[in-house]
Amino acid sequence: QVQLVQSGAEVKKPGASVKVSCKASGYTFTSYGVSWVRQAPGQGLEWMGWISPYNGNTNYAQKFQGRVTMTTDTSTSTAYMELRSLRSDDTALYYCARDGVVPARMFFGMDVWGQGTTVTVSS
Amino acid sequence: SYELTQPLSVSVSPGQTARITCSGDALPKQYAYWYQQRPGQAPVLVIYKDSERPSGIPERFSGSSSGTTVTLTISGVQAVDEADYYCQSTDSSGTSGVFGGGTKLIVL
Repeated sequence: QVQLVQSGAEVKKPGASVKVSCKASGYTFTSYGVSWVRQAPGQGLEWMGWISPYNGNTNYAQKFQGRVTMTTDTSTSTAYMELRSLRSDDTALYYCARDGVVPARMFFGMDVWGQGTTVTVSS
Repeated sequence: SYELTQPLSVSVSPGQTARITCSGDALPKQYAYWYQQRPGQAPVLVIYKDSERPSGIPERFSGSSSGTTVTLTISGVQAVDEADYYCQSTDSSGTSGVFGGGTKLIVL
């Protein structure tokens, strides 16, 4: 079945970096984009950015520009999200989601979600 | 930065119709998507491209668009529909995504 499986929980100190993985299965990885979305405790959803595994094209939310890097490894059907210079307010549940058909960039919503990865930033 | 505005909460009795609105300046130009999130679970897509329903989503979920406002309608609300609902779209350039603040649907 179509699924996204994310890496396990992380605990980081302020100023450190975290890299979350998202392994796809059950579909052609290079045919669909991947969005990253986070949710702070008790808060709403926040869009962080999008990557096309087809050609590596990315769109990042302005808020994270310069601090986030999204990449893919097509040999393992895995997407990655690295966030640097972590702060306490980066403590959140981070989701990846399948988003759009590429390279045509036809969007039908985030139709498959990973289980989420908890990132805790604390000294 | 671009924002989508949703009411904090909507309350309805079982069997009634719930309407959740989402407002944004770029909505006449960009499609909207709706997600349901139950406590402790990942979001689930319930409406895409303003009014299309993914397979497996009950027919009681529908979406509509008028000007700068999109609306998620849940007909014959059931207790199982109690959840947070988020609208999502993109800015006018179509390159930057955004979520609304979320609406808690309370089934009385």
